[in-house]
Amino acid sequence: GAGVSQSPSNKVTEKGKDVELRCDPISGHTALYWYRQSLGQGLEFLIYFQGNSAPDKSGLPSDRFSAERTGGSVSTLTIQRTQQEDSAVYLCASSLAGGWYGYTFGSGTRLTVV
Amino acid sequence: RKEVEQDPGPFNVPEGATVAFNCTYSNSASQSFFWYRQDCRKEPKLLMSVYSSGNEDGRFTAQLNRASQYISLLIRDSKLSDSATYLCVVKNTGNQFYFGTGTSLTVIP
Repeated sequence: GAGVSQSPSNKVTEKGKDVELRCDPISGHTALYWYRQSLGQGLEFLIYFQGNSAPDKSGLPSDRFSAERTGGSVSTLTIQRTQQEDSAVYLCASSLAGGWYGYTFGSGTRLTVV
Repeated sequence: RKEVEQDPGPFNVPEGATVAFNCTYSNSASQSFFWYRQDCRKEPKLLMSVYSSGNEDGRFTAQLNRASQYISLLIRDSKLSDSATYLCVVKNTGNQFYFGTGTSLTVIP
């Protein structure tokens, strides 16, 4: 597509529920990143996918977080047993391999855990 | 020590002013450098890459000082529409991009 598409744009969930966030990267972009941004904070790296390589999961904050990327395109970030501290904007970005020219963000999913 | 550090500001400047932001990075092996702009409640958007020789895009000039490990962004003739948070971004040899927490700019009429 023309840009990085994320869905849903907003999600309110009850504490303890599981949520799935979706990212559809720019066509042809082999690299895909997930970040989260809490209110007034900087971006926190979560996970990185590059082609068919094993993902770099070093930023995932706990084992409640997982992500997959099917067919080298769409990615899903899953948060199990959500906690209030998971409330944030979850941003997906994609780039050409290596990201040497920067990358393009989606508009994010604003997650609120109540 | 954080990978990337920025003065959070806020910087409040009048229209037409020149304003400069600096950013320092900790890893001397860092390879790529960028400035992103983030408007309130929006996603970050790439403003410009930063090249070793320095580069200019209209009213915006970016500089890189590898010896001192800092990056700068200069905005000339500030416009009201320049009001945003400016994020310094550094890519090392690994997969991650490291974001600064941003510098807030408000241009006042």
